[in-house]
Amino acid sequence: SQTIHQWPATLVQPVGSPLSLECTVEGTSNPNLYWYRQAAGRGLQLLFYSVGIGQISSEVPQNLSASRPQDRQFILSSKKLLLSDSGFYLCAWSVEDAVGYTFGSGTRLTVV
Amino acid sequence: QKEVEQNSGPLSVPEGAIASLNCTYSDRGSQSFFWYRQYSGKSPELIMFIYSNGDKEDGRFTAQLNKASQYVSLLIRDSQPSDSATYLCAGVNSGTYKYIFGTGTRLKVLA
Repeated sequence: SQTIHQWPATLVQPVGSPLSLECTVEGTSNPNLYWYRQAAGRGLQLLFYSVGIGQISSEVPQNLSASRPQDRQFILSSKKLLLSDSGFYLCAWSVEDAVGYTFGSGTRLTVV
Repeated sequence: QKEVEQNSGPLSVPEGAIASLNCTYSDRGSQSFFWYRQYSGKSPELIMFIYSNGDKEDGRFTAQLNKASQYVSLLIRDSQPSDSATYLCAGVNSGTYKYIFGTGTRLKVLA
């Protein structure tokens, strides 16, 4: 069966520090991968998506970036965090978008 | 801007009642819709998806889609306190094929 792993679960980082969040999927090949952010009391905002290794599409201009170094690995990064980067970051995968995404357990990031 | 709209709630229902959650969408070309449940502090979990007009039942859950009126609903029969969560509706954008999520409706089932 397919599983998605996302870590860390929580993170407190100072303003201006770097960020690296990792997501891996097991049990499937060539998944579509997504990074979402959910700010407190707000909806899910699509940040990046990838349909293959090295193929990244950005949805929102910001100081975040994403990379997909391996088929089942998706990384979200920042060189310098802002207070506004705080939120709940969710990785998701799908093979066929028509049957829905499966989300990872999420990382709660607080920038202080 | 193609949108999916939900009433934020909270919607409070007594235990054992039917909870009715509604969602409207603006993209007339959307074909696929999804309901996710999100417990506080947790990630969303897919409950149901629906493509065709009418009803789709899965256990205590029934999804309803009315493309002419552009609304989707989720009925939860015999509501339990464990159903208390935020329910997110999502539709697939007909142009980009990306998911558009509503902001969610918070459901409280009162014991």
